[in-house]
Amino acid sequence: SQTIHQWPATLVQPVGSPLSLECTVEGTSNPNLYWYRQAAGRGLQLLFYSVGIGQISSEVPQNLSASRPQDRQFILSSKKLLLSDSGFYLCAWSRRGYNSPLHFGNGTRLTVT
Amino acid sequence: ILNVEQSPQSLHVQEGDSTNFTCSFPSSNFYALHWYRWETAKSPEALFVMTLNGDEKKKGRISATLNTKEGYSYLYIKGSQPEDSATYLCADSGGSQGNLIFGKGTKLSVKP
Repeated sequence: SQTIHQWPATLVQPVGSPLSLECTVEGTSNPNLYWYRQAAGRGLQLLFYSVGIGQISSEVPQNLSASRPQDRQFILSSKKLLLSDSGFYLCAWSRRGYNSPLHFGNGTRLTVT
Repeated sequence: ILNVEQSPQSLHVQEGDSTNFTCSFPSSNFYALHWYRWETAKSPEALFVMTLNGDEKKKGRISATLNTKEGYSYLYIKGSQPEDSATYLCADSGGSQGNLIFGKGTKLSVKP
């Protein structure tokens, strides 16, 4: 069976500090990978998605970046966090195809102070 | 940017009531419509993926319908139970493989 691991679960970081959130998937090959964010009072916002190693599509211009160094590893990063980066970050995977459901990790609660 | 709208934003019902919510999406360039349930302290869980106009899917007391020509989907819950309390999200594929755009969700609270 497939599993998705996302860490850390919670994170408190000062403004201007770097960020690295990691997500790994097990039990499947060549998945689509996603990073979503839910800011306070808002819906799930797609940040990045990837259909393969080194292939990253960005949906929203911001100070975040994503990388996919391995098939089942997806990393969300920032060089300098802003207060507006606070939120709940979810990693997800899906099989190829627009009719494949997303499978989400447990999320990371990021608070930028 | 694809715009997916959900209504109502929140809903409070009594146990045993039946309820429904709406998801509207652009009808052009449609590929698939997803429904998810997001319970507090958990991650979103897929309920349905629908692709065909007129499609209807059912899982227990929950069902969904799809109208791709007019761009809407309904989610129905029959005989709501407290454990149905959650935020229900819909998402449209936006015409791009795997690129799901979510609505803001409908938050359902079922009182015993």
